[in-house]
Amino acid sequence: NAGVTQTPKFQVLKTGQSMTLQCAQDMNHEYMSWYRQDPGMGLRLIHYSVGAGITDQGEVPNGYNVSRSTTEDFPLRLLSAAPSQTSVYFCASSHNGQINEQFFGPGTRLTVL
Amino acid sequence: ILNVEQSPQSLHVQEGDSTNFTCSFPSSNFYALHWYRWETAKSPEALFVMTLNGDEKKKGRISATLNTKEGYSYLYIKGSQPEDSATYLCASLGQNFVFGPGTRLSVLP
Repeated sequence: NAGVTQTPKFQVLKTGQSMTLQCAQDMNHEYMSWYRQDPGMGLRLIHYSVGAGITDQGEVPNGYNVSRSTTEDFPLRLLSAAPSQTSVYFCASSHNGQINEQFFGPGTRLTVL
Repeated sequence: ILNVEQSPQSLHVQEGDSTNFTCSFPSSNFYALHWYRWETAKSPEALFVMTLNGDEKKKGRISATLNTKEGYSYLYIKGSQPEDSATYLCASLGQNFVFGPGTRLSVLP
């Protein structure tokens, strides 16, 4: 099993550009989520999904969109990148939601100029 | 979003020392408390998930306890080794799922 995979590993964008961060898992987990990690702060939840076709907002959803068309994939879209979105983004998945351990992907380091 | 706090922010210990750190979380609407180990340049890996007041879990030299009534959890490392150097994160599942800022541990050989 590959576990949770994320692409790309690194990305540099200009302000106003859009892009999609990819996340996939092969563990048949219902629950998937996106976090951002900023210096001095804990991981903050952006969006999450409890199953295909179902998504919801986390703590810091503004500026991001998600969709969940399959169990395996949970892409995160930045609609119009801003310097405040410079961060490291982690995707995670788990069986039966946040009550169980989260499996994290390797992260995507995004810089917005 | 109610805060999850961790202390200390960082600490340095000598190889062989035992150490512990604290996670404080809101005790209302509590469902679960997670501990993760996060090595530099890697992604967080789960250590423990605890749900019941008084829970104690152990994995090798690392153990954790949970007090849901007062809203805290302790993580203990016995006989620290250089490979234990990492950031240790806790996360509380209540009304929301919230991570603490982490405790950065450095074990000096």
